[in-house]
Order: sequence, then structure tokens, then C-alpha cells
Amino acid sequence: AQRVTQPEKLLSVFKGAPVELKCNYSYSGSPELFWYVQYSRQRLQLLLRHISRESIKGFTADLNKGETSFHLKKPFAQEEDSAMYYCALSSGSARQLTFGSGTQLTVLP
Amino acid sequence: GAGVSQTPSNKVTEKGKYVELRCDPISGHTALYWYRQSLGQGPEFLIYFQGTGAADDSGLPNDRFFAVRPEGSVSTLKIQRTERGDSAVYLCASSLGTGETFFGQGTRLTVV
Repeated sequence: AQRVTQPEKLLSVFKGAPVELKCNYSYSGSPELFWYVQYSRQRLQLLLRHISRESIKGFTADLNKGETSFHLKKPFAQEEDSAMYYCALSSGSARQLTFGSGTQLTVLP
Repeated sequence: GAGVSQTPSNKVTEKGKYVELRCDPISGHTALYWYRQSLGQGPEFLIYFQGTGAADDSGLPNDRFFAVRPEGSVSTLKIQRTERGDSAVYLCASSLGTGETFFGQGTRLTVV
């Protein structure tokens, strides 16, 4: 069965500092991985997906199959990045998502 | 509407009662999902519809939970004989299939 692990429940960094949110997964097939973000009082929304290989709001994430990781990174954090971040894996014919437990990122001024 | 709409936004019910949660997906989205999010956890998959049929209901925790999507658009999640452990945020999501999955705001269910 697939599993997504986000080891940090809370992460605080200062504005302008680099930030890395960790995500590890276990899946027997070829994974499709995503990062979702939930800002305060807003709905869950897609931040980026690994197949797009794009940078969104300065965030990037590289799939490392050897380490089964998909860490989210940003070189210079901004206060508006403060949010809950979920790593997710898509699987099955239904393409349902398996989520990690989330990391609450706080960017301090 | 422009996004996935869920009603009600909040529901408080007594233990043992029956509840229905409604989801109105984005127009034209054939795939519809229900997830449940307990406090401090990520969303957990419950059921998936492709069109009108429940293509995968493997995430439903027990037979008190049931969902329908009779016309391939609006879906209703039904919970019988609610228990305090059913308290959670129930999320609905829709997609075109291979594209992005869009989530609703959720229904916060509290069983007292």
C-alpha cells in the first residue's frame, strides 16, 4: 500500500531564509507526486506536481526515486508562504490521492 | 459556480442521527472524490465516482457510509447512525480525470 510521510508537523523560518519541507513516500509503482497548500481560511489547492517540473511561487520540488523523496524547497521564504503544506501521491485507476499529515509552515518577519 | 461547492459548511448532529453532505462539482468534471480529514491529519480517500457510478469505494470506513451521484453531477455523502468518531471535515473534489483535482471548502461535521 502507498504511504506518504511528512516528518515535520511544524516548521518556522525567518523571512528571506531558505525553506525545505520534507516528504518521503512508499509506492510499488511509478509515482505521481504533488504538493498541495492550504492558506488560512482557504480551500486546499494544488501548488505543484512533479511531472510539470515547474516553479510555482518560487517553490520547486524534485522527485528522487532513489531516496523516495519529494522535498519542497524555496530559496527565500516570504511571510505570505505561511500555510499548511501537504505532500500527496496519486495512485490507482481512480487516481485518488494519498496525503501526508501536513507541515504547518510559519515564516517569521 | 466557479469552484467545487459543498453544503452545509458546518453541521452539528447528535450521536445516532443521520446526516447528508452535499457536493456540487465543477461543471463538466466527470471525476468526483470524497475525502475525510480528521484533526491534525491529511485528507483520507473515501470514494470515487466516474460519472454516475461509484468506481472505487474502498475508502469508506464501514457500511454506515454511503454516497450517490445519480445524474453524474451533484453528489451526496450519507452517514447513518453517526458516531462521535465521525467528527471531521469532509472534503469533496472534482477533476476532468487526468488534470488537476480541485477541492471544495469542506463540511465540518461535529457529532455530539
